[in-house]
Amino acid sequence: RKEVEQDPGPFNVPEGATVAFNCTYSNSASQSFFWYRQDCRKEPKLLMSVYSSGNEDGRFTAQLNRASQYISLLIRDSKLSDSATYLCAVTQYTGGFKTIFGAGTRLFVKA
Amino acid sequence: SAVISQKPSRDICQRGTSLTIQCQVDSQVTMMFWYRQQPGQSLTLIATANQGSEATYESGFVIDKFPISRPNLTFSTLTVSNMSPEDSSIYLCSVDALADSENSDTQYFGPGTRLTVL
Repeated sequence: RKEVEQDPGPFNVPEGATVAFNCTYSNSASQSFFWYRQDCRKEPKLLMSVYSSGNEDGRFTAQLNRASQYISLLIRDSKLSDSATYLCAVTQYTGGFKTIFGAGTRLFVKA
Repeated sequence: SAVISQKPSRDICQRGTSLTIQCQVDSQVTMMFWYRQQPGQSLTLIATANQGSEATYESGFVIDKFPISRPNLTFSTLTVSNMSPEDSSIYLCSVDALADSENSDTQYFGPGTRLTVL
């Protein structure tokens, strides 16, 4: 079993749609949780951190459920510019600090 | 946020040769990381490079194949040794955000080095 698993995708949605991505992690000792965005042929960039209380940044909402070891990302009112790969990431401190990434979910927003 | 540069940005190499990738950060950082991202795949952590000590390698990666240097707090190199076509990948270095920043534990990535081995 992979340490971080995501929806396989790709997701093809029209502009204005709401889309949700899910992610599960296997290590209950994981400390911090993130969503990154990666555009084609570019490096990943932080989209948002994920907190137990849930957090929102404009059209983006992230949720964390520690009991279920589950993270989600909701994008409302999708824009063409949201087309990218979304990577779920968790940070672990067992035997040293490291960040484990999911395989990513590809999103295509079409006009 | 840290500004990270990598050299070379891309290279095409013959099998059996070695390539050294450089990573430069514009500020001092404690930990630097090297990742590999194969086509259509996610990021796989190769090793953690700490200044003044040996790198810590993840399962499946060994020092003889991927020697790492970390001579100071702003620079690191990763060498891909005795390359084969299976080493064709994007190699990215990253650093963690400052511990006292709003987004501590997040990663800032370099632009990557696209390696093709023939």
